[in-house]
Amino acid sequence: GESVGLHLPTLSVQEGDNSIINCAYSNSASDYFIWYKQESGKGPQFIIDIRSNMDKRQGQRVTVLLNKTVKHLSLQIAATQPGDSAVYFCAENIDSGGSNYKLTFGKGTLLTVNP
Amino acid sequence: KAGVTQTPRYLIKTRGQQVTLSCSPISGHRSVSWYQQTPGQGLQFLFEYFSETQRNKGNFPGRFSGRQFSNSRSEMNVSTLELGDSALYLCASSPGLAEYQETQYFGPGTRLLVL
Repeated sequence: GESVGLHLPTLSVQEGDNSIINCAYSNSASDYFIWYKQESGKGPQFIIDIRSNMDKRQGQRVTVLLNKTVKHLSLQIAATQPGDSAVYFCAENIDSGGSNYKLTFGKGTLLTVNP
Repeated sequence: KAGVTQTPRYLIKTRGQQVTLSCSPISGHRSVSWYQQTPGQGLQFLFEYFSETQRNKGNFPGRFSGRQFSNSRSEMNVSTLELGDSALYLCASSPGLAEYQETQYFGPGTRLLVL
């Protein structure tokens, strides 16, 4: 897993397995969370987001879980494919009364999918 | 709809010089944010512009500045370049409506190398 501000961990999985990438956040006032995927040489690509009034959200092959009690966020990728290999970042935002475009990113997790 | 575009994609400068990077947001988006990405510090927020006004600012020195034009295009400028300014500079746009949490969509970045 990873925490916002700590080192880049790695996760290696076999193609077809499910992947779980973890993120711990420190600010209990954070109310919006986003997972981004960044491939080499590209900018971060939006995967899925979740607001603090939810504890689970599902997308295509991805699920984000939010546990506000322990300030933990996870991204689950089903049936991981080689194209999922990338660095995954969680980002948090705090609603500061409307002017809220200041994402704080974790250092990221490198996911490697072995064929 | 075209994504966020950034120019130039690559840039080499020497210490003491200045540099200007450009970002065109997604059509209709009025908020533009800039981030610096380095291996050591990860993704760090620089500033955010909305309606030609700087609305949020990160913890970077005054050598880093930006502006936004009436068509929402944005530029950032770094003066008196230092070796440590070598990084990937990312621009992200969002609608900027501030009525709810919004996803930021990133461009491919400008990779700056300072020699």
